[in-house]
Amino acid sequence: AQTVTQSQPEMSVQEAETVTLSCTYDTSESNYYLFWYKQPPSRQMILVIRQEAYKQQNATENRFSVNFQKAAKSFSLKISDSQLGDTAMYFCAFMEYGNKLVFGAGTILRVKS
Amino acid sequence: DAGVIQSPRHEVTEMGQEVTLRCKPISGHDYLFWYRQTMMRGLELLIYFNNNVPIDDSGMPEDRFSAKMPNASFSTLKIQPSEPRDSAVYFCASSLSRGQGIEETQYFGPGTRLLVL
Repeated sequence: AQTVTQSQPEMSVQEAETVTLSCTYDTSESNYYLFWYKQPPSRQMILVIRQEAYKQQNATENRFSVNFQKAAKSFSLKISDSQLGDTAMYFCAFMEYGNKLVFGAGTILRVKS
Repeated sequence: DAGVIQSPRHEVTEMGQEVTLRCKPISGHDYLFWYRQTMMRGLELLIYFNNNVPIDDSGMPEDRFSAKMPNASFSTLKIQPSEPRDSAVYFCASSLSRGQGIEETQYFGPGTRLLVL
């Protein structure tokens, strides 16, 4: 079965600095998607960024970018110029064929002023 | 688009009562998912539908849980009778199939926070 591992239960970063959240996954599939979702205190699940496994170019969305290493099965999220509003739980997720999302346990990120 | 809509946003009920959670997916999406989030178990997929048909309900914890999708714009998750261990946040999500076997991104509703006393 596919698994997603987020090895950092909690992280903190100073406002305006850069932070990287780690994620590794295990699969035998060659075609899949990877996602980062953000869950602020409101509990809403918000899509941050998406990566398609067959694309070599790393996805970027404004201050958010990923480092996708397919051979290493690694998918880290970099947040640049961190803002107080980035404080949230971040979930890495893997989508296998058949439309099932597998989530990691999450990383709590605290942005400090 | 209004996004995925869920109601109620909060529900407090007593053990033994019936609870019905509602979801309206994004218009045009043909997949609908129900998830449950707890501190102990994280995010769990309970059931999902494709074109209103249940595809996989292996995540439904017990017979007390049931889900329906009578049409493309509405789904319900029912718990009868409810128990304190059902207390959790329940999310509905929807996505659009690309038709090539690799499905699209799931968009989540705001969730329903359920407390069973």
